[in-house]
Amino acid sequence: EVQLVESGGGLVQPGGSLRLSCAASGFTFSSYDMHWVRQATGKGLEWVSAIGTAGDTYYPGSVKGRFTISRENAKNSLYLQMNSLRAGDTAVYYCARGLQGPFYYGSGQTRYGLDVWGQGTTVTVSS
Amino acid sequence: DIQMTQSPSSLSASVGDRVTITCRASQSISTFLNWYQQKPGSAPKLLIYVASTLQSGVPSRFSGSGSGTDFTLTISSLQPEDFATYYCQQTYSAPPYTFGQGTKLEIK
Repeated sequence: EVQLVESGGGLVQPGGSLRLSCAASGFTFSSYDMHWVRQATGKGLEWVSAIGTAGDTYYPGSVKGRFTISRENAKNSLYLQMNSLRAGDTAVYYCARGLQGPFYYGSGQTRYGLDVWGQGTTVTVSS
Repeated sequence: DIQMTQSPSSLSASVGDRVTITCRASQSISTFLNWYQQKPGSAPKLLIYVASTLQSGVPSRFSGSGSGTDFTLTISSLQPEDFATYYCQQTYSAPPYTFGQGTKLEIK
């Protein structure tokens, strides 16, 4: 069964750090772009980061310079290192897999959406 | 960055109704538009990708159309399990891959 399981969430003070993990199973992890998406309580989805099969990384302006996405293919694992956390980073964090489609646009160029999602891990930034 | 705007933000409908949700991009995104369904307490589920391709296992009552800047998600005959929040997402060119703000579909 194709599965993604996040872990590492918790309560952290403003300015603190947290490292999220995502364990993948049931597919060839190294062959897929991987993403993190977050959702604050009662709010919409926000794309947070992506890492391509070649290790290229991408971030929106809201987290660039504070968050670092990485992957360890030998362990079928995805990570999100979050530093300088703010109250606005409080959310459920999902890892997700980029769908592979009929055409390949290059590493990190997810064109066909996110087809497998984990159950999410909750990050709360509060004093 | 490309901005995505969905309308309406919320919608009330009855079982059996035909429902259409619209998503507009701030610039042309060709057909690189995806639709997701999310139910309370659950992760999003991919319904449609590249504007009109149904993801495996998704019922045929869901359909998508559009290109350029304007896109629609249509549910031909609402079923009880379809009441949820729907999001569009653009995956055109390089990231960031922005989402729309969501459309909450409620039972009338």
